[in-house]
Amino acid sequence: EVQLVESGGGLVQPGRSLRLSCTGSGFTFGDYAMSWVRQAPGKGLEWVGSIRYKAYGGTAEYAASVKGRFIISRDDSKSIAYLQMNSVKTEDTAIYYCTRGWGDGYRYWGQGTLVTVSS
Amino acid sequence: DIQMTQSPSSLSASVGDRVTITCQASQDITNYLNWYQQKPGKAPKLLIYDASNLEAGVPSRFSGSGSGTDFTFTISYLQPEDIATYYCQQYDHLPRFGGGTKVEIK
Repeated sequence: EVQLVESGGGLVQPGRSLRLSCTGSGFTFGDYAMSWVRQAPGKGLEWVGSIRYKAYGGTAEYAASVKGRFIISRDDSKSIAYLQMNSVKTEDTAIYYCTRGWGDGYRYWGQGTLVTVSS
Repeated sequence: DIQMTQSPSSLSASVGDRVTITCQASQDITNYLNWYQQKPGKAPKLLIYDASNLEAGVPSRFSGSGSGTDFTFTISYLQPEDIATYYCQQYDHLPRFGGGTKVEIK
């Protein structure tokens, strides 16, 4: 059974950093791109970014709203994808979901982790 | 950057009604379009992929159509358990979601 579990959310002050983790199981993690999608309170879904699998370069792409501040990385030996959030802003407050794939159908999602940016 | 315009933003319909949601892309995305259902407090669920393919295990009352820039999502007869917000999502280049359609029972 495919499972994705996010962790690392919490309260963070504006301008500080936070790192989220997404641990996958039930599939060969290194064979898949991984993505992050967020949802601000009462708002719609927003794609944050995706990282390709290593055989496809392992590079990442980002939404304009987070480019230059957020970094996605992966450790296939541990089946973990990371979202490093730097210089966070109040508008980054959201539930952050980890999902498998690049965009061609997000079939598997984690339960989400809440990030609250506030002083 | 491809923009996705989804409409309506909300609708109210009766059980058994046919419900239609549209999604328009700002440029041709061929059939790189998916549809999701999200219930409160839950992660989204993939219903339709590549514009018209029903995901395994999803009831056949859900369907999708379209190509290019104009897409349609249909619930052929609305059920109480279909109350949710529905999102389109394109992946022609960088993925992007539509604004969502909240479906309520009249």
